[in-house]
Amino acid sequence: QVQLVESGGGVVQPGRSLRLSCAASGFTFNNYAMHWVRQAPGKGLEWVALIWNDGSNKYHVDSVKGRFTISRENSKNTLYLQMDNLRVDDTAVYYCAREQLVPPQTYYFDYWGQGTLVTVSS
Amino acid sequence: SSELTQDPSVSVVLGQTVRITCQGDSLRSYYASWYQQKPGQAPVLVIYGQNNRPSGIPDRFSGSSSGNTASLTITGAQAEDEGAYYCNSRDISRDRLSVFGTGTKVTVL
Repeated sequence: QVQLVESGGGVVQPGRSLRLSCAASGFTFNNYAMHWVRQAPGKGLEWVALIWNDGSNKYHVDSVKGRFTISRENSKNTLYLQMDNLRVDDTAVYYCAREQLVPPQTYYFDYWGQGTLVTVSS
Repeated sequence: SSELTQDPSVSVVLGQTVRITCQGDSLRSYYASWYQQKPGQAPVLVIYGQNNRPSGIPDRFSGSSSGNTASLTITGAQAEDEGAYYCNSRDISRDRLSVFGTGTKVTVL
């Protein structure tokens, strides 16, 4: 069965870095675009980043551009989020999610990981 | 980027019907998908496309769309349906981005 398992979260000081991983199994990883979505404590879901199935294109929400980088290693069935220059407002649970796109109008996330908590605090 | 707006909260009597709406320009181009989230858990897809339910989602959940508004209806709400519900769509203002709705907290009375 499809599984997405995030890891790498923890407590980090402002300005420091952290790398999140999302290990995928149960499907052909290199066939799917993948996303990171985050949720600050008590808040709603916020889309963070997208990477195409072959890694050729990447997109990030404006608030993390220049600080976060999404990447993937298809040979290892793993998605990453490199987070540099972390800020207090980056504190959130970070989820990875698999994208399904059925042109022309259908688009959704069919599988999510359980999330990993990142706390940025001095 | 475009936004998707939802009512913050709604309540429904056990066994009755509740409709949750999501408004945004992106919905004129893409169907909304809907996610249920319970405290401490990851979101779960409940509706996608025109009106499709993933395997395991009860048929009391249904979706519809008109213009810039998408709706999720729970017909015969159950206690286990209590939680937060988020819509999502592509963000047409910048291709290949994604946007979530503000979320609706559903309380079953």
